Amino acid sequence: DAKTTQPPSMDCAEGRAANLPCNHSTISGNEYVYWYRQIHSQGPQYIIHGLKNNETNEMASLIITEDRKSSTLILPHATLRDTAVYYCIVRVAEGNDKLIFGTGTRLQVFP
Amino acid sequence: DGGITQSPKYLFRKEGQNVTLSCEQNLNHDAMYWYRQDPGQGLRLIYYSQIVNDFQKGDIAEGYSVSREKKESFPLTVTSAQKNPTAFYLCASSMARGPTQYFGPGTRLTVL
Repeated sequence: DAKTTQPPSMDCAEGRAANLPCNHSTISGNEYVYWYRQIHSQGPQYIIHGLKNNETNEMASLIITEDRKSSTLILPHATLRDTAVYYCIVRVAEGNDKLIFGTGTRLQVFP
Repeated sequence: DGGITQSPKYLFRKEGQNVTLSCEQNLNHDAMYWYRQDPGQGLRLIYYSQIVNDFQKGDIAEGYSVSREKKESFPLTVTSAQKNPTAFYLCASSMARGPTQYFGPGTRLTVL
């Protein structure tokens, strides 16, 4: 079972920041937070991951609370191409185990 | 370009026929995975392989078979024993003991 909770859907105006929340209250000390997204009828795309520090890359920023029980993925300037389902996943750093995808958040970016 | 390729993108088969889905990667990744996705659902793991000539069952392996004869290739056969094979099939790969998985574009299988 997925160990994360996300809102089923969100809207965002193009050019504005999209802030996608995720709750992971049972996260273990050795588990990372991963974010993927899936554009309709395509394979999931890796976005970013982190342990406890905030992370930023060319796609997004990841803010993890100090108690690590929740996180927020930030798309700083959403575009129409960011419309997708966003998945928050927690898992250990090593190993080749499965990724447990829940139902994610469907982000709709509108003009 | 480096990446994962799956072919074909759409596949149609008659009920009772076996069908093999292709997955190739040129990322030099050791581990490869097969997932299934049904409409409105998350992904479920079918099989995975950490090294050549070795693979393990995932959560829903019944009715499926795989082989890993080459590092670059991990084909999935959907057999007639799979009760509900119509779905979107996704292949992924990762480095040895690396948790970040990279996905192919998927194959949508429809059994008529």
